[in-house]
Amino acid sequence: AQKVTQAQTEISVVEKEDVTLDCVYETRDTTYYLFWYKQPPSGELVFLIRRNSFDEQNEISGRYSWNFQKSTSSFNFTITASQVVDSAVYFCALSEPRDDYKLSFGAGTTVTVRA
Amino acid sequence: ETGVTQTPRHLVMGMTNKKSLKCEQHLGHNAMYWYKQSAKKPLELMFVYNFKEQTENNSVPSRFSPECPNSSHLFLHLHTLQPEDSALYLCASSHQGQGYGYTFGSGTRLTVV
Repeated sequence: AQKVTQAQTEISVVEKEDVTLDCVYETRDTTYYLFWYKQPPSGELVFLIRRNSFDEQNEISGRYSWNFQKSTSSFNFTITASQVVDSAVYFCALSEPRDDYKLSFGAGTTVTVRA
Repeated sequence: ETGVTQTPRHLVMGMTNKKSLKCEQHLGHNAMYWYKQSAKKPLELMFVYNFKEQTENNSVPSRFSPECPNSSHLFLHLHTLQPEDSALYLCASSHQGQGYGYTFGSGTRLTVV
């Protein structure tokens, strides 16, 4: 069964628009970790954020913000005032103790920001 | 510098060739992973090594042969590959059994002709 679902396959926006990427996860553990990674065209997956299951505070880092809602098992990611450099594939991932903390990745969302 | 270095960045090989992909990390991690990423497909976990021991092989064909001589180095030996094996191969490392996530290398883009 898919543990992490990223329902949006591709999103295309014009520069300066906001874009929100959805991530829904499934776990039976009470302690777990959620991640977002960015994969630019160069190929490397770049770590963006790690959130543990006991911290539901939303987080903001520059133009990036994350909304963690345990009640809906969602960990959504918003890019504010998007820029062309934000064009990439974004992956949401789940890490659970029952799986020895291996990362389970969603299928990824391709974001294209047009100038 | 990502902390995880993969070489080569690009590789073109014939179906009868033998080649190896190399991954190196100096982050003090004790787990290393090989992932395959084909076009328009999700990341596929291939192999997991913890403390140099292989702990997971996700039904990977025998034409892919991993080797982990120590906790800092990981190889993927390739022989008699098929064109459908063309993909981006990503290496990652982590602290085994801890939820800190992975550090990824830049990947090797492999083309089998």
